[in-house]
Amino acid sequence: NAGVTQTPKFQVLKTGQSMTLQCAQDMNHNSMYWYRQDPGMGLRLIYYSASEGTTDKGEVPNGYNVSRLNKREFSLRLESAAPSQTSVYFCASSDFSGGAYEQYFGPGTRLTVT
Amino acid sequence: GQQVMQIPQYQHVQEGEDFTTYCNSSTTLSNIQWYKQRPGGHPVFLIQLVKSGEVKKQKRLTFQFGEAKKNSSLHITATQTTDVGTYFCAGRTNFNKFYFGSGTKLNVKP
Repeated sequence: NAGVTQTPKFQVLKTGQSMTLQCAQDMNHNSMYWYRQDPGMGLRLIYYSASEGTTDKGEVPNGYNVSRLNKREFSLRLESAAPSQTSVYFCASSDFSGGAYEQYFGPGTRLTVT
Repeated sequence: GQQVMQIPQYQHVQEGEDFTTYCNSSTTLSNIQWYKQRPGGHPVFLIQLVKSGEVKKQKRLTFQFGEAKKNSSLHITATQTTDVGTYFCAGRTNFNKFYFGSGTKLNVKP
């Protein structure tokens, strides 16, 4: 099993450009998440999807949209990138197993907006 | 809004010394999780605590959940260089929504 995969690994955008970050999991998990990680800020939840067909806002949703394409895939779109969106983006998935909602994280996408 | 505060931000220890990081939530949590992130890596799940006053151990790591389910701690006994990384707590409120603390970066000098 690959676990959680993310593409691309690195991306440089110019202000105003758009892009979609892709995430897929092969663990048959119901819940999927998008986080951003900035130095000294920990991980902040952007959007999450509790199950296929549902999405909900997290702490910092402004400037982002998401699509839960199917149970496996959860994409994050930046419509008009801004320098404040320079960050490392992590996708995660989870389900209730072994008594815990353990989150499995992807390797991350390092995004720079100039 | 929901906040999970974590201290200290950094900790430098000599190998063999103990280490503790603390998390405090502004509201009562359903449960709390702990993660470790190695430099350049992604967070990896360590443990979940659910019950008030719960204590769990994993070898040299001891995790506690407060009686009011608003605070938690991770204690490492006799640190090793392999313990280097950033430790995060993540508090769950409801609907599978987690709030991460800002993390404690641990550096261990051999």
